[in-house]
Amino acid sequence: EVQLVESGGGLVQPGGSLRLSCAASGFTFSNFDMTWVRQSPGEGLQLVSTITGGGTYYADSVKGRFTISRDDSKNTLYLQMNSLRAEDTAIYYCARGWCADWGQGTLVTVSS
Amino acid sequence: IQMTQSPSALSASVGDRVTITCRASQGITNDLGWFQQKPGKAPKRLIHETSTLQSGVPSRFSGSGSGTEFTLTISSLQPEDFATYYCLQYNNYPWTFGQGTKVEMK
Repeated sequence: EVQLVESGGGLVQPGGSLRLSCAASGFTFSNFDMTWVRQSPGEGLQLVSTITGGGTYYADSVKGRFTISRDDSKNTLYLQMNSLRAEDTAIYYCARGWCADWGQGTLVTVSS
Repeated sequence: IQMTQSPSALSASVGDRVTITCRASQGITNDLGWFQQKPGKAPKRLIHETSTLQSGVPSRFSGSGSGTEFTLTISSLQPEDFATYYCLQYNNYPWTFGQGTKVEMK
């Protein structure tokens, strides 16, 4: 069974940093592209970043502030988030492949 | 690529046929998926590659289209289908979601 478990969310002040993790199990992690998707309170889904064999991709709103990475030896996906803004407040989900499977999400709140 | 999803909300009754449309700002071949999200839960993929049903998804769900216009159809709405639905294009990075369609009980 595919499992994706996000962690690392919490309350952070504007301008601060946070690193999210997504622990994967139940599949060969290194074989799959992985994605971070977020959802602000009461809003729709927004793709944040994708990591593929060919590179990394970011939404314009996070480019230059967020960095996606992975450690295939630990079956873990990461999202380093710097220079956080109030508008980054959201539930952050990790997803496998073409978003076939999702974690339960981790809440990031950016507020003073 | 921008995805324009319509309607943003609809009211329907159990047994109704429901159709949701996504229009892409440029051609995406058949690289489109549909997702269902219930309150407080992570999204669930229903369909990928425009019309391929995810394993375990009821056959009342179907997808069609190609190029720039795509449709999700629920042939006979069931009580468990009241939820919000999103399309996602994965033809070009960064992938983009439609704005969502909330299906509410009439």
